[in-house]
Amino acid sequence: DTEVTQTPKHLVMGMTNKKSLKCEQHMGHRAMYWYKQKAKKPPELMFVYSYEKLSINESVPSRFSPECPNSSLLNLHLHALQPEDSALYLCASSSRDRDSYEQYFGPGTRLTVT
Amino acid sequence: KNQVEQSPQSLIILEGKNCTLQCNYTVSPFSNLRWYKQDTGRGPVSLTIMTFSENTKSNGRYTATLDADTKQSSLHITASQLSDSASYICVVSSGTYKYIFGTGTRLKVLA
Repeated sequence: DTEVTQTPKHLVMGMTNKKSLKCEQHMGHRAMYWYKQKAKKPPELMFVYSYEKLSINESVPSRFSPECPNSSLLNLHLHALQPEDSALYLCASSSRDRDSYEQYFGPGTRLTVT
Repeated sequence: KNQVEQSPQSLIILEGKNCTLQCNYTVSPFSNLRWYKQDTGRGPVSLTIMTFSENTKSNGRYTATLDADTKQSSLHITASQLSDSASYICVVSSGTYKYIFGTGTRLKVLA
C-alpha cells in the first residue's frame, strides 16, 4: 500500500471557525509533512514530523497547529484563519532511514476561507 | 542560495508528439533529484528519482536524465497523450527533509 490519504477533500470555513485536516499513511514511514500550495506555485513546506516529534516548523503562524498522534496519523488544526490561507494543503510521508526514498503525497485538501 | 529553475514555464503540444522539459539547479549538498507529475488540484505523483551516480532513468514513456556536472536534468515524454496534461515539478533533495521545489512546467496536450 503506497497511499497517503487526506480528509476532507474540500473544506470551506469562516474566519472564526475551528477545523482539522487529517492525513494517514500505512507504509511505515516515520517522516510526515504538511505543505501549502497556492495556484500555479510549487508546494511550500510548513511542518515536518519525524518519529512523531516536530522536527521542522517553517515559521508558520500559530493559527495552524500540527499534531502527530501516532506514526500513521498527522493532523493540522486550523483556527482563526485568514482568506489568504485559502490553498491546497498537501500531506506527504517518506522513510526516515534513507533520504533517497521518495516522498509520497496525498491528494490534498482544498481549503477555502471565507 | 539553493534554487531549482524549470523551463519552459508552459508548453502546448499535439497528441503523439514528444517533448522535453528542463530543470537546472544550484543546490548544495545534493542528495537526489525527483520529477513529479501533478494534475490540477491533486497531489504530486512521483515519476522518477535519481541519485548523483545515475544518468538516466525511465518510467514508461517518461525518461529523466541527470548531468551532475552541469547540474541539469531533463524529462523527456515520448508519444504524448491527453492524460499527460499536467504540471511537472522538479524537486532536488539537499539532505534530510530538505526538498527544494522548482516552479514547474505546465504541459497541455491537444488532440
